[in-house]
Amino acid sequence: GDSVTQMEGPVTLSEEAFLTINCTYTATGYPSLFWYVQYPGEGLQLLLKATKADDKGSNKGFEATYRKETTSFHLEKGSVQVSDSAVYFCACGGSNYKLTFGKGTLLTVNP
Amino acid sequence: DAGVIQSPRHEVTEMGQEVTLRCKPISGHDYLFWYRQTMMRGLELLIYFNNNVPIDDSGMPEDRFSAKMPNASFSTLKIQPSEPRDSAVYFCASSFLGGNTYEQYFGPGTRLTVT
Repeated sequence: GDSVTQMEGPVTLSEEAFLTINCTYTATGYPSLFWYVQYPGEGLQLLLKATKADDKGSNKGFEATYRKETTSFHLEKGSVQVSDSAVYFCACGGSNYKLTFGKGTLLTVNP
Repeated sequence: DAGVIQSPRHEVTEMGQEVTLRCKPISGHDYLFWYRQTMMRGLELLIYFNNNVPIDDSGMPEDRFSAKMPNASFSTLKIQPSEPRDSAVYFCASSFLGGNTYEQYFGPGTRLTVT
């Protein structure tokens, strides 16, 4: 079946630092790829997505590029803010309409 | 759009009691998913429905768990009898196949504590 591996963290950064959270996937065919974010006490929210190879998803300063050759979808942000502190989940969606999630990465940004 | 609605937001119950969690998906969505989240096991898919029909319940932990979707706008997840190890946050999510990207929209979750 599909699987997703992401940096487990926790990741602690200072405000305005550069963020990378690595994510690789194993799936048959051409899955869609997602990053979700979960703020404390809330449900998961879709952050960005990419549906085919070389697509770049972006939102709120975050970016991720669908790299089929390396089966990766790394999340990046050039300058993090305290408000970005949350848990980030990488996920892939295949032909069975389910999403397979990674274990999540806790990001803490200090002022 | 109100998003996915779950109730109650918090539930505290004693071991052995029946617990019913409720979910209203986004109108027009044809897939509904139930997840459980714990620190130890992360996010687990319990069961999902398509057009009110259960498609895959392989994630349901045991016979104490059951889920129904009597119509397109309502689903329940029932635990009977509940046990302390069922303590977790339970999420409902819905999606629309027509978008062909499988993105799911999550509710705020129900935090269940079984004492």
